[in-house]
Amino acid sequence: GDSVTQMEGPVTLSEEAFLTINCTYTATGYPSLFWYVQYPGEGLQLLLKATKADDKGSNKGFEATYRKETTSFHLEKGSVQVSDSAVYFCALSKQAGTALIFGKGTTLSVSS
Amino acid sequence: ETGVTQSPTHLIKTRGQQVTLRCSSQSGHNTVSWYQQALGQGPQFIFQYYREEENGRGNFPPRFSGLQFPNYSSELNVNALELDDSALYLCASSLDRGSFNEQFFGPGTRLTVL
Repeated sequence: GDSVTQMEGPVTLSEEAFLTINCTYTATGYPSLFWYVQYPGEGLQLLLKATKADDKGSNKGFEATYRKETTSFHLEKGSVQVSDSAVYFCALSKQAGTALIFGKGTTLSVSS
Repeated sequence: ETGVTQSPTHLIKTRGQQVTLRCSSQSGHNTVSWYQQALGQGPQFIFQYYREEENGRGNFPPRFSGLQFPNYSSELNVNALELDDSALYLCASSLDRGSFNEQFFGPGTRLTVL
């Protein structure tokens, strides 16, 4: 079945460090790919998305490129801030589907 | 614009009881999805409602049921609660069905089953 695998956390970084959170997927067809962020005590918020191969999603300094050849959608940010501390979820959805399929989440902790 | 709201925020039930969770969709959204998020895990899709009809279901037993009302608010009902039902329940609304439409999530209801 379709699935998403993302790197285990927690990821602990100092402010202004470079961030990479790896995400790979298994799916038939051509899924859309998403990164969601969950701040403590809040619901999930869409961070960025890409709907076809080679698309780059970007938002708030975060970027991810849809790589069909490696079935990956790694999240990157050049300089993290303390306010980026949260849980990040990679997810996919089939083109004509309804459900989001999530990875287990990666906790990011940024210290000043 | 009012976002997605859920009630209650927290509740505690005992095994075997029944529970109803409520969700108010974002204005103008006709589609609502429910997810279960166990501690330390990603959300798992329960089902989706589109214009008051079930439009897809995940791998959850029939004791998980739902309703969507004409104003597009929604309920999740769980019968015969089990300890493993303890989780954060999230609802998400979207403008329409399909993967291209962003799902807007509520803050969730934390259910504890004792």
